[in-house]
Amino acid sequence: QKEVEQNSGPLSVPEGAIASLNCTYSDRVSQSFFWYRQYSGKSPELIMSIYSNGDKEDGRFTAQLNKASQYVSLLIRDSQPSDSATYLCAVNPMEQAGTALIFGKGTTLSVSS
Amino acid sequence: DVKVTQSSRYLVKRTGEKVFLECVQDMDHENMFWYRQDPGLGLRLIYFSYDVKMKEKGDIPEGYSVSREKKERFSLILESASTNQTSMYLCASSPMGELNTGELFFGEGSRLTVL
Repeated sequence: QKEVEQNSGPLSVPEGAIASLNCTYSDRVSQSFFWYRQYSGKSPELIMSIYSNGDKEDGRFTAQLNKASQYVSLLIRDSQPSDSATYLCAVNPMEQAGTALIFGKGTTLSVSS
Repeated sequence: DVKVTQSSRYLVKRTGEKVFLECVQDMDHENMFWYRQDPGLGLRLIYFSYDVKMKEKGDIPEGYSVSREKKERFSLILESASTNQTSMYLCASSPMGELNTGELFFGEGSRLTVL
């Protein structure tokens, strides 16, 4: 059974701090990795994708991938109250694109002002 | 922008009723998916489809069926609704081939309550 594991949280950080969200996956052949943000009562929206080892930065968000350790993380710098949401890690379990993603259960982030 | 539209945002049905959840996408995507989301369990894949009239079981297909008669429409059917099917249902789509980055585009969700 291919699995994606996340700490459920809640993760609480003060405004302006760095929030660090972690994810591990079980399938070594996985090639593409995604972070979705989901506000309460809303559907998931993609915020970051990463395909190769290392860091990928987009504004205040940095995704980090280490395929040898089967680990992917999301750093949110200068956290804002508007970042309070559930963050879902998702993995494409096959080498070709177009397959269904496997999702972790999500980490709830709370940013206090 | 990709638009994935789910026909009903909120539904209340009775045990034993037949329930149809409709999903339409306007970007000519080949792939369509149905997930359900429950607290503490995350998103779980019910069924997906790579082409018209084609379907594949996901992780939790029991109690569900699907229909894809047209490329843009993917329907989820609960033949006889039960209380344990009370959940948020999310439809998603993605393109095939070179256009595919792995990203799924989600609809707004359909919250189903079975009494």
